[in-house]
Amino acid sequence: DTEVTQTPKHLVMGMTNKKSLKCEQHMGHRAMYWYKQKAKKPPELMFVYSYEKLSINESVPSRFSPECPNSSLLNLHLHALQPEDSALYLCASSQEKGAGSYEQYFGPGTRLTVT
Amino acid sequence: GDSVTQMEGPVTLSEEAFLTINCTYTATGYPSLFWYVQYPGEGLQLLLKATKADDKGSNKGFEATYRKETTSFHLEKGSVQVSDSAVYFCALSSSGGYQKVTFGTGTKLQVIP
Repeated sequence: DTEVTQTPKHLVMGMTNKKSLKCEQHMGHRAMYWYKQKAKKPPELMFVYSYEKLSINESVPSRFSPECPNSSLLNLHLHALQPEDSALYLCASSQEKGAGSYEQYFGPGTRLTVT
Repeated sequence: GDSVTQMEGPVTLSEEAFLTINCTYTATGYPSLFWYVQYPGEGLQLLLKATKADDKGSNKGFEATYRKETTSFHLEKGSVQVSDSAVYFCALSSSGGYQKVTFGTGTKLQVIP
């Protein structure tokens, strides 16, 4: 099973709202990622978690707050977003170093619209 | 730093035509190379991979060979179908920074009946 699931599929939120995106994988992967993808662009890395600890933050604004409650779950908490944050948010997971090849498996994404 | 260059799109082909999407890379060490496909409204799917020189990745009729001498990983398919219409991303993961994947800009493929 190489499935990564994400909820919700679509989200519309106002600039004063607080919402969360959720991601889950059951492949035993110990690295999990959040990406942002704008239309007609490749994904841009936001955060990396390794063994449930934040290992990479690509200078993402604090209105995005990641959380990794356990090895299967990854959340992205959203607060006071701007319209330019509207995008497709992708979650991915992979093996950790030393465990073989490191290809990342992506979820279907959450289409976020900030009004 | 690492970089991936792939051919500009969109590429428009008739059904059953031969497909080539060029991809070249710059990286330190011995990167792993990937092709991902993204269908409209969906996430990225790993299409194929190669982890060392001369490896050939293949899946669903698509193939790509890791050419270290030319730093290339071109995607090919002998006979495309309408269902292959999507955006294709070439990507690499360098040996020193395995958690960071460098993506190309993507090539949109449109196959017409």
